[in-house]
Amino acid sequence: GAVVSQHPSWVICKSGTSVKIECRSLDFQATTMFWYRQFPKQSLMLMATSNEGSKATYEQGVEKDKFLINHASLTLSTLTVTSAHPEDSSFYICSAGQGKYSPLHFGNGTRLTVT
Amino acid sequence: GIQVEQSPPDLILQEGANSTLRCNFSDSVNNLQWFHQNPWGQLINLFYIPSGTKQNGRLSATTVATERYSLLYISSSQTTDSGVYFCAVEGGGTSYGKLTFGQGTILTVHP
Repeated sequence: GAVVSQHPSWVICKSGTSVKIECRSLDFQATTMFWYRQFPKQSLMLMATSNEGSKATYEQGVEKDKFLINHASLTLSTLTVTSAHPEDSSFYICSAGQGKYSPLHFGNGTRLTVT
Repeated sequence: GIQVEQSPPDLILQEGANSTLRCNFSDSVNNLQWFHQNPWGQLINLFYIPSGTKQNGRLSATTVATERYSLLYISSSQTTDSGVYFCAVEGGGTSYGKLTFGQGTILTVHP
């Protein structure tokens, strides 16, 4: 079955630094990948759509300059949290699928803690 | 955008009991999935079920798209079933892959 791998599983960083999270589709190509954020005891909220070879599209209220997305190949999307602050601490999770009318598969998520 | 409501928000069961979780949505959907989020945060894909009925072991799901709801049945519950169950939908007028999640049902199964 389709597998999405995410790395790292958890990361702790100091306030003001940047953190990069990788999302890979292991056994299929994904022209589109999706990034979600989940705060404690809340649901998942879509942050942005990562498009291979073009700019990402961001959901309303998500700062594109803070959350940089790069989708340079058909199997890899990266999310960089720039100048991280404690309020950016959250669970970030990516997804990808094999096309319309097929299920979305999720990575195992990255727990980010900013101190 | 599409609205997704799950009920009940919390559910406490004794091991061996059966349960039904509900997901209501406000518009037509291209995609509906049920997930189980375990204590480590991993989202386990249970069903891809925009319509119809599916079964997988002790779990089954039914989506009645015309009436805009889906049900997840858990039979003979086990302690390992504990966690949060999410329903997520891709609205009919939405681009591919953009899922809207419900608020989840927190299931606790006691031995």
